[in-house]
Amino acid sequence: SQKIEQNSEALNIQEGKTATLTCNYTNYSPAYLQWYRQDPGRGPVFLLLIRENEKEKRKERLKVTFDTTLKQSLFHITASQPADSATYLCALPYGSSNTGKLIFGQGTTLQVKP
Amino acid sequence: GAVVSQHPSWVICKSGTSVKIECRSLDFQATTMFWYRQFPKQSLMLMATSNEGSKATYEQGVEKDKFLINHASLTLSTLTVTSAHPEDSSFYICSARDLRGQNEKLFFGSGTQLSVL
Repeated sequence: SQKIEQNSEALNIQEGKTATLTCNYTNYSPAYLQWYRQDPGRGPVFLLLIRENEKEKRKERLKVTFDTTLKQSLFHITASQPADSATYLCALPYGSSNTGKLIFGQGTTLQVKP
Repeated sequence: GAVVSQHPSWVICKSGTSVKIECRSLDFQATTMFWYRQFPKQSLMLMATSNEGSKATYEQGVEKDKFLINHASLTLSTLTVTSAHPEDSSFYICSARDLRGQNEKLFFGSGTQLSVL
């Protein structure tokens, strides 16, 4: 069955450093991959989408890579700030058809210390 | 971006009662909405797909008679947890796609924390 794995351990970094989060998947060849941010007690907020034919995507201080051979995506936050502290979720389309359904990883909690 | 409103934000109820959660797309029409459930420190688990004007489709292991979904209009889907029990206590989140733009991304409501006593 399709499986998504994110590092369940919290990531603690110092302000100004680059945070790198990992998302691995198995038994799957997704057409795209998405990253979301979730704050405690809130719904996720969409950040970035990267397609299978794209190696890298950037948005302001965010960068996502997508390696379909390794079946892995890396999510980078450069010049991190305490306000970046949150849980970050990767998500893949559920199944092969364009149903709009997404399956989520368990998320990695990032803590940026001032 | 598109806005999805979810209500209530939290609810406490007695065991055996039913609870209704509303999910509205405020500035776009959503023929499809998705209902997720999230337990503490766990991932979002898809419960069902709500389809406007037709029956919802439920994921494996989700009891359709327990979690009633109604999608009567293009902007409103409701989830009713019937005869709630303490094990139904969870964070319920709805989401929708805005088909006007890049439609693969989901817009989520703010979630409903359900506590069943």
